[in-house]
Amino acid sequence: DSGVTQTPKHLITATGQRVTLRCSPRSGDLSVYWYQQSLDQGLQFLIQYYNGEERAKGNILERFSAQQFPDLHSELNLSSLELGDSALYFCASSVERRSDTQYFGPGTRLTVL
Amino acid sequence: TQLLEQSPQFLSIQEGENLTVYCNSSSVFSSLQWYRQEPGEGPVLLVTVVTGGEVKKLKRLTFQFGDARKDSSLHITAAQTGDTGLYLCAGGDNYGQNFVFGPGTRLSVLP
Repeated sequence: DSGVTQTPKHLITATGQRVTLRCSPRSGDLSVYWYQQSLDQGLQFLIQYYNGEERAKGNILERFSAQQFPDLHSELNLSSLELGDSALYFCASSVERRSDTQYFGPGTRLTVL
Repeated sequence: TQLLEQSPQFLSIQEGENLTVYCNSSSVFSSLQWYRQEPGEGPVLLVTVVTGGEVKKLKRLTFQFGDARKDSSLHITAAQTGDTGLYLCAGGDNYGQNFVFGPGTRLSVLP
């Protein structure tokens, strides 16, 4: 158990819908990262927040957005969902601003029908 | 953009054999991490290497960071069925902002 929690574990929805994925980092960790993992794309970095502020942006679509709240939990919002958005979404956390040594949550499996 | 390549893509071996998997890039990384991921679960951090030429051992696993900090290897001695999984390398630049994962090596250890 990494100490990072993610909810829900599974999510099934339809194209065009909007969903919110939630992540709670390890106690004491200030950085939260979001990743998307699909069979053909591997693990893709989406975005990082540090202590409530956006720090780095990767291959995140404009339909996707995230935020980190004062209690340090984070949410990833996915809107206008397409079939190709079906994937595993992972959250990771680390103590510091730098990306080294990240601890991953169990992931949310999103299926878009 | 920094990219990491991993080889081989797939590896199937018998229990008790030794193996080495590789992580390569044309870019210099401030550090490299190795993770193992099992199906449907999140990657689990195995090790971080930060110094060029560094060698770290974790029981039957030996990790090496290249002298130029562009590549790394993972050697497993006497593989066990529990070693089965997807092995990912990952690294960041000196600014800690660009963090990338390699595509992984999928290892199957057969009894």
